[in-house]
Amino acid sequence: RKEVEQDPGPFNVPEGATVAFNCTYSNSASQSFFWYRQDCRKEPKLLMSVYSSGNEDGRFTAQLNRASQYISLLIRDSKLSDSATYLCVVHSGGSNYKLTFGKGTLLTVNP
Amino acid sequence: NAGVTQTPKFRILKIGQSMTLQCAQDMNHNYMYWYRQDPGMGLKLIYYSVGAGITDKGEVPNGYNVSRSTTEDFPLRLELAAPSQTSVYFCASSYSDRHNEKLFFGSGTQLSVL
Repeated sequence: RKEVEQDPGPFNVPEGATVAFNCTYSNSASQSFFWYRQDCRKEPKLLMSVYSSGNEDGRFTAQLNRASQYISLLIRDSKLSDSATYLCVVHSGGSNYKLTFGKGTLLTVNP
Repeated sequence: NAGVTQTPKFRILKIGQSMTLQCAQDMNHNYMYWYRQDPGMGLKLIYYSVGAGITDKGEVPNGYNVSRSTTEDFPLRLELAAPSQTSVYFCASSYSDRHNEKLFFGSGTQLSVL
């Protein structure tokens, strides 16, 4: 299994749709999990951290399943402005800085 | 407060040329990083630094060098540019290396080696 693997996408959805992305990770010792958003030709920006209990920020909900080693991101009521690439990022811990980025899933929200 | 500033935004190099990508942050962050992002791929760590005077290799350091003489600056040096170094380069910083720490990225440098 690749270290961090995401849904390949792309996802094309109409405005108002609900869309979910999944991400799996191989290192069971991984400590922290994040979703970053990257607009076309721009830098990644933190969207949200993912906590064991699951967390919600407005229309966005992140879930972590440690037993199955996957993370999900749910976007409700999609907006045109949600169009971007969503990067799954996993911190494997240890003494050396170790963040592993997934390849990203491209989302296009259509009017 | 500008955050993380990278220059230049775009650059075209010929094979064998050298250049330095500049990165500066004004948030007094100890930790700084250089990543490269190839099309359709995840970011790969080139080098990182945990403070002034301390640098370490990341996942893909070959062909690059870095220095960290001040807390603010973390330049990335390409000595002999090769086509395989065509990529988008992102500098980032963080306050600490706690596992839940947020990264702040610069706007990137698009480099083409022809």
